[in-house]
Amino acid sequence: EDQVTQSPEALRLQEGESSSLNCSYTVSGLRGLFWYRQDPGKGPEFLFTLYSAGEEKEKERLKATLTKKESFLHITAPKPEDSATYLCAVQAGDNQGGKLIFGQGTELSVKP
Amino acid sequence: DTEVTQTPKHLVMGMTNKKSLKCEQHMGHRAMYWYKQKAKKPPELMFVYSYEKLSINESVPSRFSPECPNSSLLNLHLHALQPEDSALYLCASSQIEGPYNEQFFGPGTRLTVL
Repeated sequence: EDQVTQSPEALRLQEGESSSLNCSYTVSGLRGLFWYRQDPGKGPEFLFTLYSAGEEKEKERLKATLTKKESFLHITAPKPEDSATYLCAVQAGDNQGGKLIFGQGTELSVKP
Repeated sequence: DTEVTQTPKHLVMGMTNKKSLKCEQHMGHRAMYWYKQKAKKPPELMFVYSYEKLSINESVPSRFSPECPNSSLLNLHLHALQPEDSALYLCASSQIEGPYNEQFFGPGTRLTVL
């Protein structure tokens, strides 16, 4: 069964304290792994797509990496405005109509 | 333009009301999605339209009725809802063909059923 597990469920950081969020996945042929940021009461905001093991992508203080079993979202020197829930999702190789399998999310809080 | 728009932003309805949620995108995407999201949970897929045809219905109750009038518009018609249907309803769109198939989400409609 295709599955996505994110850890930790919640993470509290001080401003400037770098850390990583984990997304472990089991999927029958990975078509893509997606990271989203979601602020309370708003729709998820697309951050990154990763397609193959070894791939890395960066955007400002965020860097996403991918292995055959998991993805990491590294946050370097976070600021309070980085506080949000970060969602990881995978799409299986057989596409299944574009269906995304989401993890439960990591709620990040960055204190000044 | 990577924008998906949704109206209304907020909706309060009684259990006997009929209402509709609307979604629009102008990115040329040919796949459109409806999701339901409860607090502290990830989005839960309801329906997928591919090339304006319903391709996935995730066993959603018939009180939710989707419609795709054209390639840019997606509606969700609501009738005889229950209080437990209160949630954030999200629309998303994506390409179907090619390597770039990330889904772009709208801001959502906050639905409250009294």
